Amino acid sequence: KAGVTQTPRYLIKTRGQQVTLSCSPISGHRSVSWYQQTPGQGLQFLFEYFSETQRNKGNFPGRFSGRQFSNSRSEMNVSTLELGDSALYLCASSLSSGKFSEQFFGPGTRLTVL
Amino acid sequence: QQQVKQSPQSLIVQKGGISIINCAYENTAFDYFPWYQQFPGKGPALLIAIRPDVSEKKEGRFTISFNKSAKQFSLHIMDSQPGDSATYFCAAAPNNLFFGTGTRLTVIP
Repeated sequence: KAGVTQTPRYLIKTRGQQVTLSCSPISGHRSVSWYQQTPGQGLQFLFEYFSETQRNKGNFPGRFSGRQFSNSRSEMNVSTLELGDSALYLCASSLSSGKFSEQFFGPGTRLTVL
Repeated sequence: QQQVKQSPQSLIVQKGGISIINCAYENTAFDYFPWYQQFPGKGPALLIAIRPDVSEKKEGRFTISFNKSAKQFSLHIMDSQPGDSATYFCAAAPNNLFFGTGTRLTVIP
């Protein structure tokens, strides 16, 4: 069974630009969560999507948004990029929504904002 | 404000020794406490998890000890091996996961 895939793996952008990251969950998984990982703040929850609906949202500004498609694939968008957005963005999929459903993480997309 | 405090930041253990990582939380709404293991270049992977109705859970060489009154939980790795060298994250959840800042474990052969 293929794991969670994230594309692209690396991305370099400049301040003010916007970026879209993609996540393909494990086949059969309907929930996708996004996390930001930085050396200073660690792993922080961005949002969770289940059946194309946002179920939960972390404490991030509105520049961070996401969506989920009918095939459970998810995209995350960051607009008006800031230097502080440089991070590893991780996507995790699970069979169902909620904390008790084991999350399987992808390898992440490394975003660098110059 | 860090919802889950994790210590130590880094840990060096001899092969065969016991590795202990500690976490503390304040929010009594937390009712799910997983531990994740992350190798360089990979996403975190669930190692073991506990709910507050038990004080200890063991899976192979990995044990979680949970102290509800103290709002603390810890991961013990028995007979630590060089292959255990990784970063370990504790987490806690009412709904979404709040992660600790991570512990980089190095097991020396």
